[in-house]
Amino acid sequence: SYELTQPPSVSVSPGQTARITCSGHALPKQYAYWYQQKPGQAPMLLIFQDTERPSGIPERFSGSSSGTTVTLTISGVRAEDEADYYCQSSDSSVTFFGGGTKLTVL
Amino acid sequence: EVQLLESGGGLVQPGGSLRLSCAASGFTFSTYTMNWVRQAPGKGLEWVSSITGTAFSTYYADSVKGRFTVSRDNSRDTLHLHMNSLRADDTAVYYCAKGHGDDDAFDVWGQGTMVTVS
Repeated sequence: SYELTQPPSVSVSPGQTARITCSGHALPKQYAYWYQQKPGQAPMLLIFQDTERPSGIPERFSGSSSGTTVTLTISGVRAEDEADYYCQSSDSSVTFFGGGTKLTVL
Repeated sequence: EVQLLESGGGLVQPGGSLRLSCAASGFTFSTYTMNWVRQAPGKGLEWVSSITGTAFSTYYADSVKGRFTVSRDNSRDTLHLHMNSLRADDTAVYYCAKGHGDDDAFDVWGQGTMVTVS
């Protein structure tokens, strides 16, 4: 079984940079995707193909990849960025989500 | 505007069945893989199932394989999830999500429908 591992929580002050990691053995050969989910809302796609932003997603959200770890970076964090963040990837037509990371804006 | 609207959730007894539907609009439904993702109360996201645009291929998480069946009606732009032998741990909000196209991302999500097995 394939697992994606995320830290349960990350805390950052407004204006600082938040980095959320996601580790998985298949990530060197499979794309990763990132989603933001606020309470009571459906998830929203933030990053696709490791580093690409859909239209309408602010530039302060960026993705990177190195080996078995992908990273979501939020620059200049705002209070409205407080949410749960999930990574996602696929392997052999099966999709997996990371356990999610709760971002707290102090 | 691309929209997905789920329906069919509710309260069902263990061992029972339920059929969820997802009505799509604003895009050429038949050309996209569609997906079901669930979220148990207070828990993370769990992929459930995917079906390709022509319905030629279907895929399932191990946790639902043999109990759930995904289908689609491209003439009605509707996605379905037939759920049998429901268990308490199937309790969750069920989201339908549109495939992104050339990759495995889910770029549009419905608002979700709650399924409670009790």
